[in-house]
Parts: sequence; C-alpha cells; structure tokens
Amino acid sequence: KQEVTQIPAALSVPEGENLVLNCSFTDSAIYNLQWFRQDPGKGLTSLLLIQSSQREQTSGRLNASLDKSSGRSTLYIAASQPGDSATYLCAFSGTYKYIFGTGTRLKVLA
Amino acid sequence: DVKVTQSSRYLVKRTGEKVFLECVQDMDHENMFWYRQDPGLGLRLIYFSYDVKMKEKGDIPEGYSVSREKKERFSLILESASTNQTSMYLCASSSSSPRTSLGWGEQYFGPGTRLTVT
Repeated sequence: KQEVTQIPAALSVPEGENLVLNCSFTDSAIYNLQWFRQDPGKGLTSLLLIQSSQREQTSGRLNASLDKSSGRSTLYIAASQPGDSATYLCAFSGTYKYIFGTGTRLKVLA
Repeated sequence: DVKVTQSSRYLVKRTGEKVFLECVQDMDHENMFWYRQDPGLGLRLIYFSYDVKMKEKGDIPEGYSVSREKKERFSLILESASTNQTSMYLCASSSSSPRTSLGWGEQYFGPGTRLTVT
C-alpha cells in the first residue's frame, strides 16, 4: 500500500532563510506529483505539478524535484517570507487515486 | 484560471438531518472528488466521479452518497448527519492527462465547507 511521509511535521524559521521540505513515498509506481499550500481553514492551493516524465518544476521562489528511484520529492523555498507561513502538502497520483501526505506546517518569523 | 466553488463555507446541522454539499467547477474537468479533512488524519477520499452519472467509492464512503447529473456539478449527500461527520469537506476536480497516458492531471480544490453537526 502506498504511504506518503512528510518530514518535518512542523518547521519554524527566520525570514530570509532557504528551506527544504521533504516528501517520501513507498511505491515507485506513481505518475504525477503535486505540491499544495493550505492556509488555516481554507482549501488547498496548487503550487507545482511534476509529471512522471519530469524531474523538477520551478515557479518563482519555489522549486520541486522528483526522484522516483529513491522515492522522494523535495520542495525548495528560497528567501522565505512571513507570507509563506502555511501547511504544505504533497500528493502522488497513482493509478486510481491521489495519495496525500500529512503535511509540513511552516512558520516564517519576521 | 480554474475555479472550483462550494455552496457554503460554514454549515451547522442537527443530528439526523439530510445534508447536501454542492461543488461546481468551470473548467470542463472529467474528474471530481470529495474529501474530508480532520486533524491528525489528513485528507481522506470519500467518493470520486470520472464522468457524468459515474461514481466510485473512496476510502470512507459509509454514511455518504454522491450525485453527478451534470459534468460541472458534484454533490455530496449526508443521508442522516451524525456528530462524527463534523469535519472540513473539500471538493476537487482534475482533467485526465493525455500527455501522461496514465494517471490523473493537476488537481484543483475548492475553498472547503466547515460542517458542524450538533
């Protein structure tokens, strides 16, 4: 059964730091990987989608990579800002469903 | 921009009531999903639909049903609401992804409905 683990579960950093969020999975038979951001009490906002034939995607200060052989994806946030404070979730697209990690709660201190 | 809307942001219902949660997407997506999200349990799939009038059970379908009469609209129905159905309900949609030939495309979420059953 596919399991998705996100480490760390929570992270607190000073403004301006570069940081890496990790997402690991147990089954390499995945198709797409998507990173989301969720603000408290809100829905999920799609940040980046990496299709199975790709290795990484970039959007502004965000860069996500996918290594299927090691079962790992990372989300890199450059020059973090207080507005980046949120919960970040990764999700894998399997054959018939999406499988979500439990998220990393990020707090960026001004 | 893809837009997924949900009929209510907050809803309070009494035990035993029949509850309807509605979701509408404007991007002609084939696939639509209903999840619930609870602290410590993450997102759990209730039902999904890959076409009009088609539905598939997710991981926790008990106590719920769904309806998809039109492509853009996917409704979640709580037949007889119970207190353990108090949760955040999230609707999502996605297209199939012909470029990948398998798997599902980018998923877009609505703002969520916080349902409280008393």
